[in-house]
Amino acid sequence: NAGVMQNPRHLVRRRGQEARLRCSPVKGHSHVYWYRQLPEEGLKFMVYLQKENIIDESGMPKERFSAEFPKEGPSILRIQQVVRGDSAAYFCASSPGDRELFFGEGSRLTVL
Amino acid sequence: RKEVEQDPGPFNVPEGATVAFNCTYSNSASQSFFWYRQDCRKEPKLLMSVYSSGNEDGRFTAQLNRASQYISLLIRDSKLSDSATYLCVVIKAAGNKLTFGGGTRVLVKP
Repeated sequence: NAGVMQNPRHLVRRRGQEARLRCSPVKGHSHVYWYRQLPEEGLKFMVYLQKENIIDESGMPKERFSAEFPKEGPSILRIQQVVRGDSAAYFCASSPGDRELFFGEGSRLTVL
Repeated sequence: RKEVEQDPGPFNVPEGATVAFNCTYSNSASQSFFWYRQDCRKEPKLLMSVYSSGNEDGRFTAQLNRASQYISLLIRDSKLSDSATYLCVVIKAAGNKLTFGGGTRVLVKP
């Protein structure tokens, strides 16, 4: 069974460009979480989605960030007009419900 | 007060020693608890679930104290490879998001 797959693993963007991070959950998992981790810091919750619905986006910055988890296809975290402060590791995790999370290997965004 | 709190450490532990640390949670309705391990620049990985009766997996023992609202992790006979950040995770109720603590860093030294 494939685990959580994230791509790209590494992404370099210049300030002002858009970054799209993709996450394919474990097969059968309908819950997806996105976390951000800045260097030398802990995991920060961003958003929690179930198929086609955003359940909790309390950790998402109000501007430039959006997330979706369509009926078909991977979950997407989109960052518009990136700034240097967006440079971080973005981890996606999936769960079948109120149980433990399975994490992807992360996408590392570098903004030049 | 944060929902889930951990001592960030680092806990410097001699190889072979025992180390223990806690994670406190603020919501008494929390019902599921886990310990994760994160190595530098890697994804967190599930270490163990924490059950009401406590549970043990090899050198690792997890306990839950509902009255005082904390969970604990104890590592016996520490190995160099135990050096990592240990994250506790709390789920409030079915369907709610999982909340991570900030992590406790453990450094095992020869």
